[in-house]
Amino acid sequence: GQNIDQPTEMTATEGAIVQINCTYQTSGFNGLFWYQQHAGEAPTFLSYNVLDGLEEKGRFSSFLSRSKGYSYLLLKELQMKDSASYLCAVRGGGATNKLIFGTGTLLAVQP
Amino acid sequence: EAGVVQSPRYKIIEKKQPVAFWCNPISGHNTLYWYLQNLGQGPELLIRYENEEAVDDSQLPKDRFSAERLKGVDSTLKIQPAELGDSAVYLCASSSLTGTEAFFGQGTRLTVV
Repeated sequence: GQNIDQPTEMTATEGAIVQINCTYQTSGFNGLFWYQQHAGEAPTFLSYNVLDGLEEKGRFSSFLSRSKGYSYLLLKELQMKDSASYLCAVRGGGATNKLIFGTGTLLAVQP
Repeated sequence: EAGVVQSPRYKIIEKKQPVAFWCNPISGHNTLYWYLQNLGQGPELLIRYENEEAVDDSQLPKDRFSAERLKGVDSTLKIQPAELGDSAVYLCASSSLTGTEAFFGQGTRLTVV
């Protein structure tokens, strides 16, 4: 089976740093994705990790450890507009090569 | 470049009525997904197409849901008959190659009353 876990909600302060964790158990592995979704809008792609390590893209970074089934999304210099749901998604491998999403982490950025 | 286009954006129907959603993926994208998203939850995969072939429909409730992707481009998702529990946002996404990111449409918000 496939299972993706991430915290339901997080709160952080404007200008601070926040780390959103994601653990997964999947049948095969062909990449991990992070998406941002504002209320009432479609998910938008943030990052993709397929090898272990850190991928940095501006204020956002994503880390992957395949041996631990673990990833995190790091958001720096938080802005009010970063308040959104952050979705962790894993693409399985082989016959189950499909994109499975976690339930999402609702991040509230406070002044 | 146009993104994934879905229509309608909103739909309100009475239970037991049929409903259909339409999706036009990004040009050249071979893979097309239909997801269902309930409030406060992540998207749940209903069906995935590679060109015109449905390669994964294990999560599609086949007694009332059906989908097609004629000519491997546009796709239609149908529910007949709709039930109250089908109220959700139906998202369509497409990608160019397996292993790359999927791009989402704005979704269709279905309300069954």
